[in-house]
Amino acid sequence: RKEVEQDPGPFNVPEGATVAFNCTYSNSASQSFFWYRQDCRKEPKLLMSVYSSGNEDGRFTAQLNRASQYISLLIRDSKLSDSATYLCVALRGYMEYGNKLVFGAGTILRVKS
Amino acid sequence: DTEVTQTPKHLVMGMTNKKSLKCEQHMGHRAMYWYKQKAKKPPELMFVYSYEKLSINESVPSRFSPECPNSSLLNLHLHALQPEDSALYLCASSNGNEQFFGPGTRLTVL
Repeated sequence: RKEVEQDPGPFNVPEGATVAFNCTYSNSASQSFFWYRQDCRKEPKLLMSVYSSGNEDGRFTAQLNRASQYISLLIRDSKLSDSATYLCVALRGYMEYGNKLVFGAGTILRVKS
Repeated sequence: DTEVTQTPKHLVMGMTNKKSLKCEQHMGHRAMYWYKQKAKKPPELMFVYSYEKLSINESVPSRFSPECPNSSLLNLHLHALQPEDSALYLCASSNGNEQFFGPGTRLTVL
């Protein structure tokens, strides 16, 4: 079993739709979680950190459920520019000024007009 | 400014060549990383430098040799690579939990 698991998709949605991605992690010692987006042939870009209290940034909402070891990302009012691969990431180990990230395989989102 | 820069953007090299990848950040981050990413796969950690010292080597073959000349710079020296080493090489930096990636160097080994 992979340490961070995501549905690879693709999720094909029309513009304006709401779409939700889920992710599970197996290492209960994981301390922090993130969503990155990666466009084709580009670097991963940090979309948002995920907190137990949930956090929202514009059209994006992230939730963490530690009891179920489950992370989600909700995108409202999808735009064509949201088309990308979304990577669910767990912080496995932390050192002072350094850390180890564990990446899920990514979920592909395609937003169509 | 969350910018990490990498040079070159593209590199083609033969199996007998020696080349270097360069990474720079001016965010004052004290940890820097090298990742390798193959197509349709997530990034794989190779090395971590913390306070300019190598703190993690994820069992990377010795044909990859990292170097951290100062807190802003990170190099990856390449020698006698194999075609299967062709990939996107990403540099990242962090000053806490959040890591920021550079645009990567797309390496092709012939």
